[in-house]
Amino acid sequence: TQLLEQSPQFLSIQEGENLTVYCNSSSVFSSLQWYRQEPGEGPVLLVTVVTGGEVKKLKRLTFQFGDARKDSSLHITAAQPGDTGLYLCAGALTGTASKLTFGTGTRLQVTL
Amino acid sequence: DTGVSQNPRHKITKRGQNVTFRCDPISEHNRLYWYRQTLGQGPEFLTYFQNEAQLEKSRLLSDRFSAERPKGSFSTLEIQRTEQGDSAMYLCASSVTPSGARGNEKLFFGSGTQLSVL
Repeated sequence: TQLLEQSPQFLSIQEGENLTVYCNSSSVFSSLQWYRQEPGEGPVLLVTVVTGGEVKKLKRLTFQFGDARKDSSLHITAAQPGDTGLYLCAGALTGTASKLTFGTGTRLQVTL
Repeated sequence: DTGVSQNPRHKITKRGQNVTFRCDPISEHNRLYWYRQTLGQGPEFLTYFQNEAQLEKSRLLSDRFSAERPKGSFSTLEIQRTEQGDSAMYLCASSVTPSGARGNEKLFFGSGTQLSVL
């Protein structure tokens, strides 16, 4: 059983479109992180959210942590080809990464 | 900027052979993690070290797997008697011990070692 489910699994959109990726769980997390991973590389941390209801913005990316700290979303505005990659959410059951559980991933492709 | 370095990048081996991977973390990072990632999945935690002490191992880490970090710097992950199911990307990550605030540990991943067991 996967602790963190992401949807959609795959997303192919054109440049300029908006999109939202969801990360859901029945477990409560101390914090939640979002990573982006490109083929042949390791994941790169984008953001960490720790407070229920928290919203963080990183340029065109908006991250939200659910009020109950069980789910999160990533919204990208005006997607660009450089946004292409595998987006992973990862929840920490405690404050340490030794308890970090990764989601199933959303593979995003942005075409011209 | 020297990030986390992993060697080799790719390893092809025959079933039953032993393989060893190396990870060099960011120099001032005292924590080192090993993860495994199969195609279409997110990384799965295997084990982690704080300095030279191995503090936790996942149930995924069978007796054929052993990890060391002898001097608290680089780490090695050895898989003995490899099986086809061991084929995966093995990722190493490093971090510094969080200062106390919830969720402030930042992992820096290497590019991984892609293992193919034939």
